[in-house]
Amino acid sequence: QQQVKQSPQSLIVQKGGISIINCAYENTAFDYFPWYQQFPGKGPALLIAIRPDVSEKKEGRFTISFNKSAKQFSLHIMDSQPGDSATYFCAASKGGGSNYKLTFGKGTLLTVNP
Amino acid sequence: DTAVSQTPKYLVTQMGNDKSIKCEQNLGHDTMYWYKQDSKKFLKIMFSYNNKELIINETVPNRFSPKSPDKAHLNLHINSLELGDSAVYFCASSQVGAALGTQYFGPGTRLTVL
Repeated sequence: QQQVKQSPQSLIVQKGGISIINCAYENTAFDYFPWYQQFPGKGPALLIAIRPDVSEKKEGRFTISFNKSAKQFSLHIMDSQPGDSATYFCAASKGGGSNYKLTFGKGTLLTVNP
Repeated sequence: DTAVSQTPKYLVTQMGNDKSIKCEQNLGHDTMYWYKQDSKKFLKIMFSYNNKELIINETVPNRFSPKSPDKAHLNLHINSLELGDSAVYFCASSQVGAALGTQYFGPGTRLTVL
């Protein structure tokens, strides 16, 4: 059972364009939704995260849009750059405490052409 | 000053062997994790430890045994290696109750079983 569904699997965007990656979740108990960025040969690194009490969060060129009723959230990368080429993972978790765990989507390979 | 480090970075071994991967974090976090990333880049949690206590144990064969000698270290021992164990293994750490539980990942260990 895949609790976090991510699409598309891969995405090719021209430099300066907008990259959009979508995720949908099933468990309404999830209350934390991070996006991780992974470059080849490296570990994932937190990019941006959102709680369900807000509908949007922006950090520089990266924006998360969150739709609680639809159980969907998306990552928008404005003015995409070749250096943004990486694999992006959405994730979700519930609660906190010592048994906190992240459930990841399957990842999106983003290629930004110069 | 590496936050989460893993050794070795690459591990090539024969089927049936026993191997260990070591992880150390210098962030002062109280929770550590092991993730497996398969050839399709899917990230799945295997274990988590909080203050040396096993908290999460996903459906992982008992050939995999984590050991936490102290809260800064979480090692992964794998017995009787199988072809299907080939993957990249990531260690991560976080602090309960801090920064939305952001997890910091190590650089990964690429395990190849021949």
